[in-house]
Amino acid sequence: DIQMTQSPPSLSASLGDKVTITCQASQNINKYIAWYQQKPGKAPRQLIRYTSTLVSGTPSRFSGSGSGRDYSFSISNVESEDIASYYCLQYDNLYTFGAGTKLELK
Amino acid sequence: QVQLQQSGAELVKPGSSVKISCKASGYTFTSYDMHWIKQQPGNGLEWIGWIYPGNGNTKYNQKFNGKATLTADKSSSTAYMQLSSLTSEDSAVYFCARRGGYNNPFAYWGQGTLVTVSS
Repeated sequence: DIQMTQSPPSLSASLGDKVTITCQASQNINKYIAWYQQKPGKAPRQLIRYTSTLVSGTPSRFSGSGSGRDYSFSISNVESEDIASYYCLQYDNLYTFGAGTKLELK
Repeated sequence: QVQLQQSGAELVKPGSSVKISCKASGYTFTSYDMHWIKQQPGNGLEWIGWIYPGNGNTKYNQKFNGKATLTADKSSSTAYMQLSSLTSEDSAVYFCARRGGYNNPFAYWGQGTLVTVSS
């Protein structure tokens, strides 16, 4: 099974900051990583698929990059509506989520 | 538009079973696999498995073999997940989810069903 190590577990940011979350896979996942946003009491919302492709409706301040085992997700210019938890998902071999990152306002 | 409507919250006793549903609309139900995902309170997400309603094929996360059973009813466009021999570890929100197309996992989600296991 592929394991996904996501960091940091929590992040504190001010409005307008840039924040970055990383996920490292236990083996090469060939860019098959997606990123999700989840707000309390809601289902996750897909933001990015295949490492860096923004899905329809995702603001351009979100971005993703990476290859092989190492991937990152960034939010430039954090807005109040971005306060949420974020999860990576590998879908190269079955499906494994990262443990999540909780983004809070400083 | 694609919609996944899940059944309501369940309060069940330890050792019992529960069956939750996910009614699909807005697309051809038999053309896309349906996935199920678990989220324990305050915890992350775990993929349970998928079912392809077109032929009933299933694939499970090994961890949920014997715990979860996935079925689908083509006539009502509804996917089901039965959880058996329930313990407190099964208390969680369970989501159904569908891919958006090729190379696009879990683009659509149900609203979640809370299962609480308590005597």
